[in-house]
Amino acid sequence: SQKIEQNSEALNIQEGKTATLTCNYTNYSPAYLQWYRQDPGRGPVFLLLIRENEKEKRKERLKVTFDTTLKQSLFHITASQPADSATYLCALDEGSNYQLIWGAGTKLIIKP
Amino acid sequence: DGGITQSPKYLFRKEGQNVTLSCEQNLNHDAMYWYRQDPGQGLRLIYYSQIVNDFQKGDIAEGYSVSREKKESFPLTVTSAQKNPTAFYLCASSPSGELAKNIQYFGAGTRLSVL
Repeated sequence: SQKIEQNSEALNIQEGKTATLTCNYTNYSPAYLQWYRQDPGRGPVFLLLIRENEKEKRKERLKVTFDTTLKQSLFHITASQPADSATYLCALDEGSNYQLIWGAGTKLIIKP
Repeated sequence: DGGITQSPKYLFRKEGQNVTLSCEQNLNHDAMYWYRQDPGQGLRLIYYSQIVNDFQKGDIAEGYSVSREKKESFPLTVTSAQKNPTAFYLCASSPSGELAKNIQYFGAGTRLSVL
C-alpha cells in the first residue's frame, strides 16, 4: 500500500542545535517533494521544494535532502530558535496531476 | 494585500443542516483545493478545481459539494449527508504551469463543529 510517514511524536530540541525531521514514503514515485510549516490554527506555509534529481536544497537556515533510493527526505533547521516551533509537513508530488500527497506532520518544539 | 481568505473562522452546524464555507483568492491562480485536516492525519483532499466551471472529486468527496463559477471563488458546502463534519477545513490555491511546481498557498482555515 502507499504510505507517507512523518514522526508522529513531537521533537524537542535545545535552542541553537540542529533539528532534523524525517519524511519516508513507500510505493510512490515523486517527481518533487515539498516541505511546509503550519502554526496552530493556521494554514500551512510553503518552505522548500526539491526535485527527484536534486540531492540537497538550502534556504537560509533550512536544508532539505532527498534520497529516492531510501525513499526519504530529511529537513534540517540549523541554529534553531524558539520561533521555529511549529508543525512541519512534507508533501509528495508525483507530477502527473495537480494533487499533493500529505504527511501528517511532525511537531517541533525548540526549548530556550 | 494578496492572498486567500477563508470565512468564517469558526462555524457550528446543527444536525441536518447544510453549511457553506467561503474561499476567495486574489492571487490569480487557476487551481483551487479544499482539504480536511483531522488530528494526527495528513491533509485529505475533498475537491479540487483546475479551471473555472470544472472541478473533480478528491479522496473524501462524499457529503460535500463545491462550485467554481468565478476564478476567485471556490465555496465548499458541507451537506447533512456528511455524518462526521467536525474538522479543520483548509482552502488552497496554486498557479498553473510547469514553473509553479504545484506549490500551494493556503487560507487560515475554518474550524467546523457540530452542535
